[in-house]
Amino acid sequence: DTGVSQDPRHKITKRGQNVTFRCDPISEHNRLYWYRQTLGQGPEFLTYFQNEAQLEKSRLLSDRFSAERPKGSFSTLEIQRTEQGDSAMYLCASSPDRGRSSPLHFGNGTRLTVT
Amino acid sequence: GQQLNQSPQSMFIQEGEDVSMNCTSSSIFNTWLWYKQEPGEGPVLLIALYKAGELTSNGRLTAQFGITRKDSFLNISASIPSDVGIYFCAGQLTGTSYGKLTFGQGTILTVHP
Repeated sequence: DTGVSQDPRHKITKRGQNVTFRCDPISEHNRLYWYRQTLGQGPEFLTYFQNEAQLEKSRLLSDRFSAERPKGSFSTLEIQRTEQGDSAMYLCASSPDRGRSSPLHFGNGTRLTVT
Repeated sequence: GQQLNQSPQSMFIQEGEDVSMNCTSSSIFNTWLWYKQEPGEGPVLLIALYKAGELTSNGRLTAQFGITRKDSFLNISASIPSDVGIYFCAGQLTGTSYGKLTFGQGTILTVHP
């Protein structure tokens, strides 16, 4: 079990630039989730995939955000035209598809700073 | 926005003391989870609870799923310095997709040797 892997760990970008993050879930997990965590708060749900299908998106996920999981394995989260308010830790999590008895396992996140 | 109220916001305790923290909500949850997060890392699952009234232990940690399904508590006995971190409760609201968790604001725990 190598755990959930996220890359990069840190990203500093200028306002208006596009950024892309990658998440590699635990290999046998077919559910993948993206969360966002701002300083001093708990994580907030953004979106989730079952295999390659994106099944739900939060209202927090504006049109500038897009997530993909093309082959049902790794996932990418892209933010276009970044704003300072996008600065946060972006967390990826995965779980097997065994209903609610299979809790989420989180990666160590990508910390985004928009200057 | 957040629908879980977690308290206390922070705790400063001496090594060896017991710790108690809780989460409450006006909504009904069908799953309660407790996570610990250390600086620069993602949350790590401590305990998962699936039935109202369920009491589960994991070493020095004990957590309970409230009978009303609107609250949960976490106890840590005989704290040690490595217990330092931020503890989050998380729940899945009834009727929502599995894995779409609502998190509390966290309890920052500091343990003095």
